[in-house]
Parts: sequence; structure tokens; C-alpha cells
Amino acid sequence: GAGVSQSPSNKVTEKGKDVELRCDPISGHTALYWYRQSLGQGLEFLIYFQGNSAPDKSGLPSDRFSAERTGGSVSTLTIQRTQQEDSAVYLCASSFSLDRGLGKTEAFFGQGTRLTVV
Amino acid sequence: TQLLEQSPQFLSIQEGENLTVYCNSSSVFSSLQWYRQEPGEGPVLLVTVVTGGEVKKLKRLTFQFGDARKDSSLHITAAQPGDTGLYLCAGALNTNTGTASKLTFGTGTRLQVTL
Repeated sequence: GAGVSQSPSNKVTEKGKDVELRCDPISGHTALYWYRQSLGQGLEFLIYFQGNSAPDKSGLPSDRFSAERTGGSVSTLTIQRTQQEDSAVYLCASSFSLDRGLGKTEAFFGQGTRLTVV
Repeated sequence: TQLLEQSPQFLSIQEGENLTVYCNSSSVFSSLQWYRQEPGEGPVLLVTVVTGGEVKKLKRLTFQFGDARKDSSLHITAAQPGDTGLYLCAGALNTNTGTASKLTFGTGTRLQVTL
């Protein structure tokens, strides 16, 4: 597809279960971001990938959260032993990487995965 | 520490009013972007500014990049209910040519425009 695709769009899970969220970025975009957004709030940065490596994972809230990216493309965000406070919309974005003052790092966002932990 | 601070955090105004949203940082950015997010959607790019002092207009929206490339403002003239949403600034840090630069998002300004 032409845009960033996230799946599933909605996920309801029981407390304590593991969940895996998927992001398919735009082809050719080497930068990939995961954000979390609670109702009515701004974006909370989770992790940034450059290719398959994650130079900045400072936003991951705990060791229950992990993410990987393979082939410089698809990324998965895994939350282990989910808690109710993990309920939020998880947004993925991708962009080109090199800015050089040309403003080429426009981020394209997916529709998000709405996670509800009950 | 938040790299990009936006103000105000929330703004509720009536149709026809003017408003300004600010995005401030102590860091220098090679470019700065403004996004708008509507309910149930991901943020969508409105504009990118790359030159210090640059002013861009998009219909009733005017964007300005600070001379030192550390701050930006978004001014909306005669706001309409369709302008309602979350406004986010985002900056690419100034890096050496050829170095990948991570995009950093601001704290967001939630705007509500009522009839």
C-alpha cells in the first residue's frame, strides 16, 4: 500500500496477556517511530529505528515493552504481561532519514492500534 | 526534559477568533514541521519550514520559523470548527550533512473551535 499500515486496528486483551502490534512502513523509509497516545493527550515517544537498529529506545516505559524491526521494513511492538495502564492508541510513523536542512523528514503516520486491557 | 515545548496546551475559542500556538526549544533545528491530528486519525503534515525567519501561509494558517531556528509559531485567522484538533510541532535536530536526524515531536496543543 501507499501509506503506513498498522495491525490490528483494535485489540482487546486480558490483563497479563502478551500482545504484538505490527507496523508496515512506507517502502523506502528508513526511519520508523512508535508513539503512544492516551485519550486526549499528546504523543508519547517510545522508540526510534534507523534501519534495523534502534538508536533511541529511551521512551519504552518498562522492560515489558520491546520492539524489533526486520529487513529495514516491518516492525513489531511487543508488550508482555499487559497492564491496564498500557491501554492507549499506539501509533507508528515512518520517514526518510536525511534532513540536510531540506525538510525531507516528513513523518507519515498509520491509523494506530487501539489497545484496551481489561 | 521535553525538547519541544508547546503553548498553550489547551485552547477553546469561538468561531471567528484568531489564535497563536507556540513551539519553543533551546535546541537548533534544521527543519521544523507542524502537524494536525483529528480524532481517530494519525497526525498529518501541514507544513515544513527550513530557513530561519521563514514564513509560510496555508489559507488561514500562518507558520513562522524563528530566526535562530529554535522556535516556531502557528497563527490561525478567523478560526472555524473544522480547525479543531491536536496541533503538533516536530523538529529535526541540526546534524552534520549526511547524518540521519531523528524527528522529535512537541507536547501538543489541543484546539477546540465552537460555533
